[in-house]
Amino acid sequence: ETGVTQSPTHLIKTRGQQVTLRCSSQSGHNTVSWYQQALGQGPQFIFQYYREEENGRGNFPPRFSGLQFPNYSSELNVNALELDDSALYLCASSYPTGAGANVLTFGAGSRLTVL
Amino acid sequence: GENVEQHPSTLSVQEGDSAVIKCTYSDSASNYFPWYKQELGKRPQLIIDIRSNVGEKKDQRIAVTLNKTAKHFSLHITETQPEDSAVYFCAAGGNTNAGKSTFGDGTTLTVKP
Repeated sequence: ETGVTQSPTHLIKTRGQQVTLRCSSQSGHNTVSWYQQALGQGPQFIFQYYREEENGRGNFPPRFSGLQFPNYSSELNVNALELDDSALYLCASSYPTGAGANVLTFGAGSRLTVL
Repeated sequence: GENVEQHPSTLSVQEGDSAVIKCTYSDSASNYFPWYKQELGKRPQLIIDIRSNVGEKKDQRIAVTLNKTAKHFSLHITETQPEDSAVYFCAAGGNTNAGKSTFGDGTTLTVKP
């Protein structure tokens, strides 16, 4: 059984550019949630993907978009990068089996710096 | 939406002492309350969670208590060790979809040897 893997681990972009971050979910997990963690803060929910559809979204603008593939892996895309987008982007996978389960497994994150 | 407040933001204890971190939440519909430990440069890892049908849960040196009426829950670590030093996050969310949880801003715990 493999855990959650994210790529790239670090990247530097300039304002206005676009970025794609990737996440492979843990084996058996069909739900992927993405979070933004600014320095010194807790993770903030961006959106969740389940069965290749967006299944809930936090308070993030439309330039944050995502995809989920048939193998449950996922991408986070951010367009028109702003300085405030600099953060650690975490993905977490889970398997919603109802009450008593649905524990999140996090990836190590992608550290994005926008200059 | 849900709002989670966590206190204190930093906590320093002597090895062997107890540490308590408290969180409050606003949405009475929340019924799943996990705690995560994040060591420097590493991923958050679930250390304990509690669901709204229980008031307390214990796992060795770690315990969590939940007061649904007052909308607060707490993490208790006893006999602290230097390896307990990390950032701890509380979260509140739905029992069947932890992925949409709202997180607190974290508590940096330092255990001095």
